[in-house]
Amino acid sequence: EIVLTQSPATLSLSPGERATLSCRASQSVSSYLAWYQQKPGQAPRLLVYDASNRATAIPPRFSGSGSGTDFTLTVSSLEPEDFAVYYCQQRSTWPLTFGGGTKVEIK
Amino acid sequence: EVLLLESGGGLVQPGGSLRLSCAASGFTFSSSGMSWVRQAPGKGLEWVSSITPTGATTYYADSVKGRFTISRDNSKNTLYLQMNSLRGEDTAVYYCAKRCDSSNFFDYWGQGTLVTVSS
Repeated sequence: EIVLTQSPATLSLSPGERATLSCRASQSVSSYLAWYQQKPGQAPRLLVYDASNRATAIPPRFSGSGSGTDFTLTVSSLEPEDFAVYYCQQRSTWPLTFGGGTKVEIK
Repeated sequence: EVLLLESGGGLVQPGGSLRLSCAASGFTFSSSGMSWVRQAPGKGLEWVSSITPTGATTYYADSVKGRFTISRDNSKNTLYLQMNSLRGEDTAVYYCAKRCDSSNFFDYWGQGTLVTVSS
């Protein structure tokens, strides 16, 4: 099973700041990695798929990069609605796995 | 508009059974792979099971293999999850999710249904 490790667990930032979230895989997943955003009481929302492709209707302030084992989700300038928990997920190998999440909170 | 509506959650005793349903609309259900993903209270996301568009192939997490069965009825645009031999660690919100194109990422999710396993 591929283990995805997200860091940091919590990121405390102010609106307008840049957020950089990391996801590291225990073995290569090529570019088969996605990022989701989840707000309290809501289902996750797909942000980025295949490492760097923004999903439909996702604003350009969200960008993904990386390949192999190291991936990054960047939010260029945090809006109030961006404070949430972010998860990465790999589809390279069964079983599909998620990272443990990074909470982006208001500083 | 894509809609996924789960139902069937509730309180069940350890060792009991429950069947979840997910009614789909707004897309061609019979052409889409579907999955169940769960989230224990206060915890992260855990993939549970996936099924191909025709239902011919299914996949399971080791934690549920042999106890859960995923299925679908394309004539009813409905996805199912039969859960048997339930354990306390199965307590979670269960989400139905649509596969994104031909990948195994999830572009649409239901609102979730809560399953609580407790005596």
